[in-house]
Amino acid sequence: GESVGLHLPTLSVQEGDNSIINCAYSNSASDYFIWYKQESGKGPQFIIDIRSNMDKRQGQRVTVLLNKTVKHLSLQIAATQPGDSAVYFCAENSNQAGTALIFGKGTTLSVSS
Amino acid sequence: EPEVTQTPSHQVTQMGQEVILRCVPISNHLYFYWYRQILGQKVEFLVSFYNNEISEKSEIFDDQFSVERPDGSNFTLKIRSTKLEDSAMYFCASSRGQRAQPQHFGDGTRLSIL
Repeated sequence: GESVGLHLPTLSVQEGDNSIINCAYSNSASDYFIWYKQESGKGPQFIIDIRSNMDKRQGQRVTVLLNKTVKHLSLQIAATQPGDSAVYFCAENSNQAGTALIFGKGTTLSVSS
Repeated sequence: EPEVTQTPSHQVTQMGQEVILRCVPISNHLYFYWYRQILGQKVEFLVSFYNNEISEKSEIFDDQFSVERPDGSNFTLKIRSTKLEDSAMYFCASSRGQRAQPQHFGDGTRLSIL
């Protein structure tokens, strides 16, 4: 989705801090969302997904929050590690888009130790 | 853990030449996709494929593009007459189901058109 003032292209954190990466999606009809991590020279790697009937989903060290009222998605990474340094993308899907995932602009997370 | 594999990792081609990018999706997945990412930009959807047919395609996927599943394991993207603006990373992905299912991506083929 496109960002409207919430998207930060880069985020720098210290090792051990919690990171929050934001994404504002564009289509109010979107009902499925995914976060991907992309390391240099690699393809997008699935992190976590959430359907629109939920507002929160937790994984291992990651939490995704969905606010449909303001069309906002966030990814929280607990105890960020240097290995978390990568570009993070949100992607949305809707019935209108069929099988296509619509990717947002990425956020580059840099973790310093 | 099963993964999507793509070959080659880097392809350099003269403008006007044909290229074929190859992918082996995850074996029990039924839906296959191609995306591209121009340097520094978003990942963009090209096409989805199911049951030996194109399910959806984007405006980018014009007549110079085609996809094929020539056998039980490979999934290919052909660009008939390459243009300079086709230079990008091309990612293959696959998923178990059609909607609301995670799509798993390969590491891509970097296509450079000279």
